[in-house]
Amino acid sequence: KAGVTQTPRYLIKTRGQQVTLSCSPISGHRSVSWYQQTPGQGLQFLFEYFSETQRNKGNFPGRFSGRQFSNSRSEMNVSTLELGDSALYLCASSLISVTDTQYFGPGTRLTVL
Amino acid sequence: SQKIEQNSEALNIQEGKTATLTCNYTNYSPAYLQWYRQDPGRGPVFLLLIRENEKEKRKERLKVTFDTTLKQSLFHITASQPADSATYLCALVDSNSNSGYALNFGKGTSLLVTP
Repeated sequence: KAGVTQTPRYLIKTRGQQVTLSCSPISGHRSVSWYQQTPGQGLQFLFEYFSETQRNKGNFPGRFSGRQFSNSRSEMNVSTLELGDSALYLCASSLISVTDTQYFGPGTRLTVL
Repeated sequence: SQKIEQNSEALNIQEGKTATLTCNYTNYSPAYLQWYRQDPGRGPVFLLLIRENEKEKRKERLKVTFDTTLKQSLFHITASQPADSATYLCALVDSNSNSGYALNFGKGTSLLVTP
């Protein structure tokens, strides 16, 4: 089976802009979760989608949002970008739940200037 | 507050030796704990899951222990090789979040195995 794919791999934006990241899960996986990874805070859970609905949410502001499509593909959006949003954004899929083993994609490296 | 603590300092060991990494947690009541490996510029890769009723679990050269009384998991790599050099993360499920479940990770311990 193909692994989790994420596009784009690298992105440079300026403050105030918005960005959309895309994730395609492993075939058959219905749960898609998003994480932010920074050197200071480590890997932090953003939210999880299942059956096109956000089911679980981490402690991030409303500027971070996402959605899931009927084929389980997911997008994450960050509006009004801040310098502190510079990070590696990782998508992970699992069969049913965020509590299951997570299969991570390679990530999208976002730099905000 | 909930915390997952891993050795922040890098662990340097010689090839062939056993590497031991520690994961301590507070304010969790985990049914299980997971370990992941992350190489630079890549996403984490799942290694092992150990349940609360399992004291020890092994997979090839990897061994994980889980002590719910001490609130600690130890991750061992025996006969370490330079290819084992990576960052190792432990993860716990937070079932007390106001917004449902979350999978929380420690910040990881960087392991460097030198020939």
